[in-house]
Amino acid sequence: DAMVIQNPRYQVTQFGKPVTLSCSQTLNHNVMYWYQQKSSQAPKLLFHYYDKDFNNEADTPDNFQSRRPNTSFCFLDIRSPGLGDAAMYLCATSFSYTDTQYFGPGTRLTVL
Amino acid sequence: DQQVKQNSPSLSVQEGRISILNCDYTNSMFDYFLWYKKYPAEGPTFLISISSIKDKNEDGRFTVFLNKSAKHLSLHIVPSQPGDSAVYFCAAQGGNRDDKIIFGKGTRLHILP
Repeated sequence: DAMVIQNPRYQVTQFGKPVTLSCSQTLNHNVMYWYQQKSSQAPKLLFHYYDKDFNNEADTPDNFQSRRPNTSFCFLDIRSPGLGDAAMYLCATSFSYTDTQYFGPGTRLTVL
Repeated sequence: DQQVKQNSPSLSVQEGRISILNCDYTNSMFDYFLWYKKYPAEGPTFLISISSIKDKNEDGRFTVFLNKSAKHLSLHIVPSQPGDSAVYFCAAQGGNRDDKIIFGKGTRLHILP
């Protein structure tokens, strides 16, 4: 089945220790998104790619970086995680910006 | 400033009854509205959508109503079933090619036996 896959599902890291979250898709969608969701809050868009065209939301901290080496994969790098970065990180894809987004299961990040 | 508001953090409904989830928005440029459903430990799943040129869209037990003058939409689920217990996110999108989806904070729906 075509899908959006996120690994790992649960990630524990130490304060300040870099961490990378991965997302892959078999939908062959052009657009990939990374969202951060904290408890009882709306998902917050961090970045999005249209193919290799990278777009950074204005309020995304510099501590967050992203890479999309090919159509299928997208990575979220957190260079120096702080306690406030503990959240669920959701990857989503869509064929175009105006099409329905399909979400992965998320990676729950814990920062110790 | 929240552009998409879901003012009820949670809602409990008896199984078999109608569930009504509400959503308000502030940006009159939004022209496409979506509802996503999210189970614990899973990502949101697209449920139903409506374009601003319509005031109602129905898909099985799910109906979304849009009142543009009030900048309000609602999701009706009838009859409610135990598997409907989840968090429901309202989302809105503008009409430009690169407009992003703006999500509300979600409403947790509990279906009571």
